Amino acid sequence: EAGVAQSPRYKIIEKRQSVAFWCNPISGHATLYWYQQILGQGPKLLIQFQNNGVVDDSQLPKDRFSAERLKGVDSTLKIQPAKLEDSAVYLCASSYEDRVYYEQYFGPGTRLTVT
Amino acid sequence: AQTVTQSQPEMSVQEAETVTLSCTYDTSESDYYLFWYKQPPSRQMILVIRQEAYKQQNATENRFSVNFQKAAKSFSLKISDSQLGDAAMYFCAFGYQGGKLIFGQGTELSVKP
Repeated sequence: EAGVAQSPRYKIIEKRQSVAFWCNPISGHATLYWYQQILGQGPKLLIQFQNNGVVDDSQLPKDRFSAERLKGVDSTLKIQPAKLEDSAVYLCASSYEDRVYYEQYFGPGTRLTVT
Repeated sequence: AQTVTQSQPEMSVQEAETVTLSCTYDTSESDYYLFWYKQPPSRQMILVIRQEAYKQQNATENRFSVNFQKAAKSFSLKISDSQLGDAAMYFCAFGYQGGKLIFGQGTELSVKP
């Protein structure tokens, strides 16, 4: 079974530029999560999708971050414009359903450096 | 609001020895799960062990076991017979409604040969 795929693995941009990350969850997983992991900290949930609907985006900085999950499969997370404090690893995870009983499987992450 | 605290930023253990990583949490939820995740330098987060809050029996997975003290809101991870491959960041996480996870700050474990 293929795991959660993310691309790119690394990205370096200048502040005020835009960037997009892509995630392909495990086949059949209805729930998809995007986390932000700042160096030295634990992951923080940015947004949670159930199929193609948003369940929770309360911690997503909506003035600059946006995310979508068209057709309930792949998802993209966009930052526009980027700030220095957005430098972090962005992790995508998926689970079978949006219940804590189901394990979340994580992708390798995208490391973003904003200069 | 739920909070998770890992008070040990770094821990070190000798190969084949036992080490315990600490975690405390705070919540008003009655139905929840607790997890320990491992994040090796390659960055792919892997589930190590989980504990359902309603179960009194501590979870075990091979060399990994937990000490779950619900009243004290404590959830420690014990790694027995430590191996070089156990070296990683370990995150304690609190899971509740809707599949949400709240992570602690992490403990970096090094294993000395």
